[in-house]
Amino acid sequence: DTEVTQTPKHLVMGMTNKKSLKCEQHMGHRAMYWYKQKAKKPPELMFVYSYEKLSINESVPSRFSPECPNSSLLNLHLHALQPEDSALYLCASSGNTEAFFGQGTRLTVV
Amino acid sequence: AQSVTQPDIHITVSEGASLELRCNYSYGATPYLFWYVQSPGQGLQLLLKYFSGDTLVQGIKGFEAEFKRSQSSFNLRKPSVHWSDAAEYFCAVVTTGRRALTFGSGTRLQVQP
Repeated sequence: DTEVTQTPKHLVMGMTNKKSLKCEQHMGHRAMYWYKQKAKKPPELMFVYSYEKLSINESVPSRFSPECPNSSLLNLHLHALQPEDSALYLCASSGNTEAFFGQGTRLTVV
Repeated sequence: AQSVTQPDIHITVSEGASLELRCNYSYGATPYLFWYVQSPGQGLQLLLKYFSGDTLVQGIKGFEAEFKRSQSSFNLRKPSVHWSDAAEYFCAVVTTGRRALTFGSGTRLQVQP
C-alpha cells in the first residue's frame, strides 16, 4: 500500500469557521509533511513531523495548527483563515527515500 | 543561494516527438534529486529519483533522467511523448541538512495532436 489518503477532497469555509484537514498513511513512514500549493505555483513546505514530533515550521501563521496524533495520522487545524489561504493543501509521507503525496484538499475560504 | 531551477515555464511538443525538460540545482553538495508529475488539481506522482551511482536513471511511464555533476543538471527525457503526458512537471531536491522536498517552479507540458 503506497497510498496517502487526504480528507476531505474539497472544503469551503468561512473566515470565522474552524475546520480540520486529515491525512493518513499506512506505509510505516516516520516523516509526514504539509505543503500548500497556489494555482500555477510549486508546492511550498509548511510543516514537517519526524517521529511524531514537529521538526520544521516554515514560519506558518498560527491560524494553521498541525497535529500528529500517531505515526499514521497527520491533521491540519484551520481557524480564522483569510481568502488568500485558499489553495490546494497536500500531505506527504516518506521513509528514507522518496516522498509519497496524497491527492490534496482543495480549500476555498469565503 | 541554494536553489533548484527549471528554466522552461511552458513547453509544447507534438505527440510522438521527443521531450527534454531541464532542471539545474545550486547546492554545495549533490542533493537527492527527483522528478514529480502533477495533473490538474491532483497530487504529485514520483517519476524517478537519483541518490547516487548510475547517472542515467529510469523511471515510470517511459521517462528517464540523466544526472550531470559538471553541469549541476538533472534533465528529464522521454523518446516519444503521448497525449496523456500533458501535465505539470516538477524537479525537486532534498539535502542532508533539510529532510524535505524543495521544488523548482515547474514546467507545464502541452502535447499537440
